[in-house]
Amino acid sequence: SAVISQKPSRDICQRGTSLTIQCQVDSQVTMMFWYRQQPGQSLTLIATANQGSEATYESGFVIDKFPISRPNLTFSTLTVSNMSPEDSSIYLCSVEERSSGGSTDTQYFGPGTRLTVL
Amino acid sequence: GDSVTQMEGPVTLSEEAFLTINCTYTATGYPSLFWYVQYPGEGLQLLLKATKADDKGSNKGFEATYRKETTSFHLEKGSVQVSDSAVYFCALSDRPGAQKLVFGQGTRLTINP
Repeated sequence: SAVISQKPSRDICQRGTSLTIQCQVDSQVTMMFWYRQQPGQSLTLIATANQGSEATYESGFVIDKFPISRPNLTFSTLTVSNMSPEDSSIYLCSVEERSSGGSTDTQYFGPGTRLTVL
Repeated sequence: GDSVTQMEGPVTLSEEAFLTINCTYTATGYPSLFWYVQYPGEGLQLLLKATKADDKGSNKGFEATYRKETTSFHLEKGSVQVSDSAVYFCALSDRPGAQKLVFGQGTRLTINP
C-alpha cells in the first residue's frame, strides 16, 4: 500500500485565518481524496482531487472555503479558509489503491491533521 | 442515499473476550465493504474488506463476512487484546470506481486487562 504523509500533524489557529494542509504520497496516484472528521464523529468526504483538473466537491463543501491544489501525481494541498471554531476537526487525505484491473475501491489514509480553531 | 449503521458504542470488554461489532448498510448497488481501525492519535488503517456477497475478509484475527441477504458486515474477533483498543469504522463503496467511501459513525472499543 502507498505511504502517505501529512503536514502539519496538528495546529492551533485563530478565527478568521487560513491553514494549508499538505499531503504527500510515495507513489504516483490518479485520485486523492480529502475527508473531515469532526470531534467524536465519522468521516465525511470533502472533495476528490484529480491531477490536472478542478477538484470535485461533495454537497455542503465549496471551493471558496476549501480550495484544493493537485499540482502533480504525488502531492495535494487542502486549505481551510477563514476558519471558525466549527472547522476544528481532523482532516485526512487518502488515495485509492489501483490494480492491473483498475480501481479496487480501497482507499488508504494519511495520519491526519488535527486542527483546533480558537 | 447509501448509508452505514454501526452498533452504538462505546464497547468495553475484558481481555480474551469475544468481540462482535455490528454493521448494516443500505446501498442501491452492490457495494464493496470495509472495516477501518483508528488507534488513539493516529489516522485510519484498513483492517479488512470484502467485495462481493459471501466473501470473508480477515486480518489480525478479525473477520467479517459480507451478508447480502441481511445487508450486514459484522466484525468479529475470538479473543481480544488490550492492543485492540481503538475506534472501528465500517464503510462501503457503493459501486466500482465510485471512489467515494461512506462511513458508519464508528464504535469505540476499550479492552481492559
